[in-house]
Amino acid sequence: GAVVSQHPSWVICKSGTSVKIECRSLDFQATTMFWYRQFPKQSLMLMATSNEGSKATYEQGVEKDKFLINHASLTLSTLTVTSAHPEDSSFYICSAIQGADTEAFFGQGTRLTVV
Amino acid sequence: DQQVKQNSPSLSVQEGRISILNCDYTNSMFDYFLWYKKYPAEGPTFLISISSIKDKNEDGRFTVFLNKSAKHLSLHIVPSQPGDSAVYFCAAGRLNAGNNRKLIWGLGTSLAVNP
Repeated sequence: GAVVSQHPSWVICKSGTSVKIECRSLDFQATTMFWYRQFPKQSLMLMATSNEGSKATYEQGVEKDKFLINHASLTLSTLTVTSAHPEDSSFYICSAIQGADTEAFFGQGTRLTVV
Repeated sequence: DQQVKQNSPSLSVQEGRISILNCDYTNSMFDYFLWYKKYPAEGPTFLISISSIKDKNEDGRFTVFLNKSAKHLSLHIVPSQPGDSAVYFCAAGRLNAGNNRKLIWGLGTSLAVNP
């Protein structure tokens, strides 16, 4: 199957700083990428959908000024958590699909801890 | 409003027996469905999918059944193996949603296969 690489796999940062998470499709062109967050023992919560070259579409309740998403190329999308607070601590996962494909391939996830 | 429901949060099965994971959905616009397997602190891994024009799809030990009239699908794992122990997520989507082809996720079912 296709490979999606997410980096870093874990990060600890101080409250008030910003953290950037990268999501790369290694062997296919990801026309659409999705960003999720998952709290312990809960399902995946979609944060936003991004299409290459256009602005991300955020889900209701997700602050677009806090969670900056950039999808500048067909192989890279980034999520920047700005002015992180302890309540932003979570597991963030990206996924990508190619064109009209139905399968979404996931990155390994990033464990963010804000102290 | 949970559009995709996995009503059993956990399931325990003996090795070698059949595991049946269930999923119900409410939106008749969904036309493709996927099952993912997830280990802790990792991204989900795609298992198997089915489009609404089919009622069964089989891949090795994994078979997905779709009952559109009941808006119900199930994942059968035969025979179950201890390595199948994980959280299984059901997801649904719409093929013709243009740039908004997001997946709607169930809450997951934690499967434990006992040796």
